[in-house]
Amino acid sequence: AQKVTQAQTEISVVEKEDVTLDCVYETRDTTYYLFWYKQPPSGELVFLIRRNSFDEQNEISGRYSWNFQKSTSSFNFTITASQVVDSAVYFCALSLVGTSGTYKYIFGTGTRLKVLA
Amino acid sequence: NAGVTQTPKFRVLKTGQSMTLLCAQDMNHEYMYWYRQDPGMGLRLIHYSVGEGTTAKGEVPDGYNVSRLKKQNFLLGLESAAPSQTSVYFCASSSIRDEAYHGTSGAETQYFGPGTRLLVL
Repeated sequence: AQKVTQAQTEISVVEKEDVTLDCVYETRDTTYYLFWYKQPPSGELVFLIRRNSFDEQNEISGRYSWNFQKSTSSFNFTITASQVVDSAVYFCALSLVGTSGTYKYIFGTGTRLKVLA
Repeated sequence: NAGVTQTPKFRVLKTGQSMTLLCAQDMNHEYMYWYRQDPGMGLRLIHYSVGEGTTAKGEVPDGYNVSRLKKQNFLLGLESAAPSQTSVYFCASSSIRDEAYHGTSGAETQYFGPGTRLLVL
């Protein structure tokens, strides 16, 4: 089965708190790609990061960091010192090669993050 | 460079009416996709295209048709709208080789349009 699970439907934190958004994926493929997207209240989907299955290095970009662990099939996203502008729905996605040779995207159901002032 | 644009932004239809959603991209991307987003269900792929003149079915294709007559445009049609098609529709595009990530081949980052909110009464 190929699946992306974001078990946290909604998280509320107070500004300046750290918060981690969980993403667990399922696939038997050895080559795949993982993504995080942000959907702010305005509605557009903003690409945040891409990671391939051969690269388990964690990545930090400003207040954002991503922890990819193949052993637990997880690709978690942490926001440090959260800000009100971080309030959005965050989607994790898995990209696999489909039967036609093209890539197939599977999205999680999203986690709504509310950062309170 | 506008990226991915979608027309219209919002539309109300009556059951049985037809309409076409237009997606345009100016990034010379080969692949284009149509998704629908419903509460609690994330994004689901309706149809996609791997190049001009080609289309393929995604996860939820029933009730929709698509066409890719030009590389930069991907049209989504609803021939006879139903209330179950009330949703937010997103178009996305991607290239075969994403040079932004060290030239890693074979995988793409999808860039999304702003969405079209459709209400079918």
